[in-house]
Amino acid sequence: EVQLLESGGGLVQPGGSLRLSCAASGFTFSSFAMNWVRQAPGKGLEWVSLIGASGNNINYAESVRGRFTISRDNSKNTLYLQMNSLRADDTALYYCAKVLLGTHYYFDSWGQGTMVTVSA
Amino acid sequence: EIVMTQSPATLSVSPGERATLSCRASQSVGNNLAWYQQKPGQAPRLLIYAASTRAAGIPARFSGSGSRTEFTLTISSLQSEDFGVYHCQQYNNWSWTFGQGTKVEIK
Repeated sequence: EVQLLESGGGLVQPGGSLRLSCAASGFTFSSFAMNWVRQAPGKGLEWVSLIGASGNNINYAESVRGRFTISRDNSKNTLYLQMNSLRADDTALYYCAKVLLGTHYYFDSWGQGTMVTVSA
Repeated sequence: EIVMTQSPATLSVSPGERATLSCRASQSVGNNLAWYQQKPGQAPRLLIYAASTRAAGIPARFSGSGSRTEFTLTISSLQSEDFGVYHCQQYNNWSWTFGQGTKVEIK
């Protein structure tokens, strides 16, 4: 069974930094691209970033480009999101999501999320 | 950025009735569209991908159709466990965007 467990969220002041982690199990982590998707309270879903299976293909939403950095450690089956220069509108539940086998277009497994609150 | 617009915002349906949800893309996405179900306090669940292919374990009462800019999710006979928010999502040129969601309420 695929399991994705996010951690690292919390309360941070504007301009601060956080590092999120997503521990994966139940599948061959190194064979799948992974994503971060966020959901602000009471709002819809927003894709944040993707990293390819080997870490060589990376993309970001415009809203986080230059501030967030996605990475992965395939030896530890763990995905990361380094978030710098945080703003109030980054407040959201952050999910890690695995892509569907054979494509990077869709997300077939999600964690339960870790909450990030940016507030003074 | 491709904007996805879902309608209606809220849909109230009696058990056993048909539910039809719509999703419109601001430009063509071919058939690169997925539908997700999200219940309160839970992560989204993939229902449909490539516009019309059911994901593993998804009941046959869920079906998807459409292409280019107009897409539909149909729940043929709504069950009580089908309440929740339904999100559409497109993929195009290394960018993914979601609609704002349709809330399905059990009448």
